[in-house]
Formats: sequence, structure tokens, C-alpha cells
Amino acid sequence: DQQVKQNSPSLSVQEGRISILNCDYTNSMFDYFLWYKKYPAEGPTFLISISSIKDKNEDGRFTVFLNKSAKHLSLHIVPSQPGDSAVYFCAACLVNNNDMRFGAGTRLTVKP
Amino acid sequence: GAGVSQSPRYKVAKRGQDVALRCDPISGHVSLFWYQQALGQGPEFLTYFQNEAQLDKSGLPSDRFFAERPEGSVSTLKIQRTQQEDSAVYLCASSFNGYEQYFGPGTRLTVT
Repeated sequence: DQQVKQNSPSLSVQEGRISILNCDYTNSMFDYFLWYKKYPAEGPTFLISISSIKDKNEDGRFTVFLNKSAKHLSLHIVPSQPGDSAVYFCAACLVNNNDMRFGAGTRLTVKP
Repeated sequence: GAGVSQSPRYKVAKRGQDVALRCDPISGHVSLFWYQQALGQGPEFLTYFQNEAQLDKSGLPSDRFFAERPEGSVSTLKIQRTQQEDSAVYLCASSFNGYEQYFGPGTRLTVT
């Protein structure tokens, strides 16, 4: 039962343009959402998060948008840089329950 | 400060062998998580500790998997009588609040 889905296994964008990574979830009880970034041979690194009481959270070049009615969140990276090339995982959890569910990941390639 | 460390980074085991994977969390993080990541998938929850107490082990795939954190710091994930389907990357994460989790580099287990 995959409760968090990332339907695009890969995404390629030009340096300087916007990268948009998408994530859908099925459990409407999730109240906290996170994005992780993973380089090869390393563990996932926390990038940005959003609580279900918000619809947007911004941190520098990274913005996460949450649409609760559509059970959809997205990560925007503007402007994209070659160093952003990595696998991005979307994750969701209940704050009072530490069972975090991850999507399968989207591999982002930013071309110079 | 030091991040989460895991050892060994790579482990090759013959089918039927027992293995032990170690995790050193970030100092002061009371929550510790173990995940299993198959190729091309996101991390799948295995078990969770708060200090030395194992509060959730619902993700452990069989009774061959056992985890402990006796002093509330270092944790060990033990897999008995390894099978080929146990081949995966095993990720450890620690957290100060339970949901913003900081991952180690993982242990890649290959069962031959």
C-alpha cells in the first residue's frame, strides 16, 4: 500500500530554469510533509518541510507547496543549479506517530 | 558537529549467515529509526526507538530481524539467517523531534 507516490522517476532541466518535483499522497491524516535530497552513496539529507496548517514554505531557492484538497505537494527549485542534481524523496507522516512514509524518489538532472 | 554514522558501509554475507549493522546517532537525539531501501525505491520503515525503548517494530519483515538500543544511544540491527531478499541498503536516522530525521550514509547489504 503505497501511501506516498512520486510518479515521475526522473526530471531533466536546464541550469537557471525552474525544477518542479511532484508528490501525491493518499492518507488524508498525514499532517507533516518533508522533502529529502540524496546523492549517490550518501543517506537522504533533509531539505525542507511543511506542516498541514500551511500551504507554502520557502527557504532560499526551495519552496514547497501543499494542496490538501488534492493531496498533492510540490517542490520548486528556482533557479536550478547543477549541484541540485540528485534524487529527491517526498515523505509524509503524522506528527504524533513516527511512521514516516516515503515516495520512490525522482532523479533530478540539472544540465549546465 | 558529527552526523549519523553507520558501519559497516558495505557488507557481503552468504545466505544463512547472521549480520549486525551499527548506527551511531547524533548526540542528544532521542529518536532513532531504521529503514530498508530496495533499489529504485524510497526508504521503508522498519523500527523506531525513543531512547532505549523500542516503541514500534511493525515494519520488521520477519522474526529474523531484531533491533536494540540498550543505552539509548548506539543501535544495532541484527538479521539472522540472511536471505537473498534481505539485500538492500539499511538506513539509520535520528531525530530531536521525531519527524525531521537526519540519515546516516547507510549500509549496503548483499546476500549471496
